[in-house]
Amino acid sequence: DSGVTQTPKHLITATGQRVTLRCSPRSGDLSVYWYQQSLDQGLQFLIQYYNGEERAKGNILERFSAQQFPDLHSELNLSSLELGDSALYFCASSPWGDYEQYFGPGTRLTVT
Amino acid sequence: SQQGEEDPQALSIQEGENATMNCSYKTSINNLQWYRQNSGRGLVHLILIRSNEREKHSGRLRVTLDTSKKSSSLLITASRAADTASYFCATDDVDTGFQKLVFGTGTRLLVSP
Repeated sequence: DSGVTQTPKHLITATGQRVTLRCSPRSGDLSVYWYQQSLDQGLQFLIQYYNGEERAKGNILERFSAQQFPDLHSELNLSSLELGDSALYFCASSPWGDYEQYFGPGTRLTVT
Repeated sequence: SQQGEEDPQALSIQEGENATMNCSYKTSINNLQWYRQNSGRGLVHLILIRSNEREKHSGRLRVTLDTSKKSSSLLITASRAADTASYFCATDDVDTGFQKLVFGTGTRLLVSP
């Protein structure tokens, strides 16, 4: 158990809908990262937050947004969902200055 | 896009044998990490090697890094069925200085009893 929690574990929704994925980092970790894992794109970095502020952006679509709250949990919002958004979404956390990241169990999103 | 390419894509061995996986990357790095992923589950950090290191050990794991060739290898000795998983190398992004990880394509390892 990495100490990072993600909810929900599974999510099935229809195209055009909007969903919110939630992540709680390990106690004391200020950095939160979101990754997407799909069969065709592999593991892709989406976005990083540090202590509530956005620090780095990767291959994140404009339909996707994220935020980190004062209690350090983070949410990833996916809107206008398309079939191609079906994937595993992982959250990871780390202390600042530590390159090792601790991954949550992921949320499996299926868009039908 | 992914930075690293891993070779082989899949590897099947018997328990007790050694498994070697290779990773190549494209840009300058501060460090390289290896992660393991059991089928569809979260990634687990295995080992980190810094750009000024050439070799590192952790239990049955040995990692080498050749920055001149932009490549790394992960050796698992005396493999066990429980080692069956996908293994990914990941590098940091020197250009931005941020800690985002860029993952390779992964090697699927199957260890048969």
